[in-house]
Amino acid sequence: SQTIHQWPATLVQPVGSPLSLECTVEGTSNPNLYWYRQAAGRGLQLLFYSVGIGQISSEVPQNLSASRPQDRQFILSSKKLLLSDSGFYLCAWRPRTYQETQYFGPGTRLLVL
Amino acid sequence: DQQVKQNSPSLSVQEGRISILNCDYTNSMFDYFLWYKKYPAEGPTFLISISSIKDKNEDGRFTVFLNKSAKHLSLHIVPSQPGDSAVYFCAASPPQGTSYGKLTFGQGTILTVHP
Repeated sequence: SQTIHQWPATLVQPVGSPLSLECTVEGTSNPNLYWYRQAAGRGLQLLFYSVGIGQISSEVPQNLSASRPQDRQFILSSKKLLLSDSGFYLCAWRPRTYQETQYFGPGTRLLVL
Repeated sequence: DQQVKQNSPSLSVQEGRISILNCDYTNSMFDYFLWYKKYPAEGPTFLISISSIKDKNEDGRFTVFLNKSAKHLSLHIVPSQPGDSAVYFCAASPPQGTSYGKLTFGQGTILTVHP
């Protein structure tokens, strides 16, 4: 069966510090991968998606970047965090074959102080 | 521009009664709709979905209804249980092959089921 992991679970970082959040998927190959953010009291906003190694598409202009160095690894990064980057970050995957359902990881809660 | 809207931020229901969560969309290109359930500090879990070629899909206590002409879908939970208390998100997807599987989510509705 497929599983998706995210770490860390919780992160407190000072403004201006770098960020690296990791997501890995097991039990599947060539998945589509997605990064979402849920700000406090808000819905899920798609940040990035990837359909293959090295292929990243950004949905919204922001202070963050994403990379996919391996087929089942998706990384969310920032060189300098802003207060507004605080939120709950979710990674999701979807099989490459036609199926619209995305499956989410447990999430990372990021607090920028 | 909010293409998927859940206009009720919260809903409170008595245990055993029906919970009805609503969702409206504006993009007529959406042809697949999903509901997710989310507990605090956890990732959303897939609940139920419906294709635009159907108007109803049922899975146990959960039923999703789709009214394409009104661009409206709803999730019915019968009977409601305290464990159903969570945030419910509806999501929509354009046709296969047009968007790399990107989903557009509503803002979520907090459901509280009282014992």
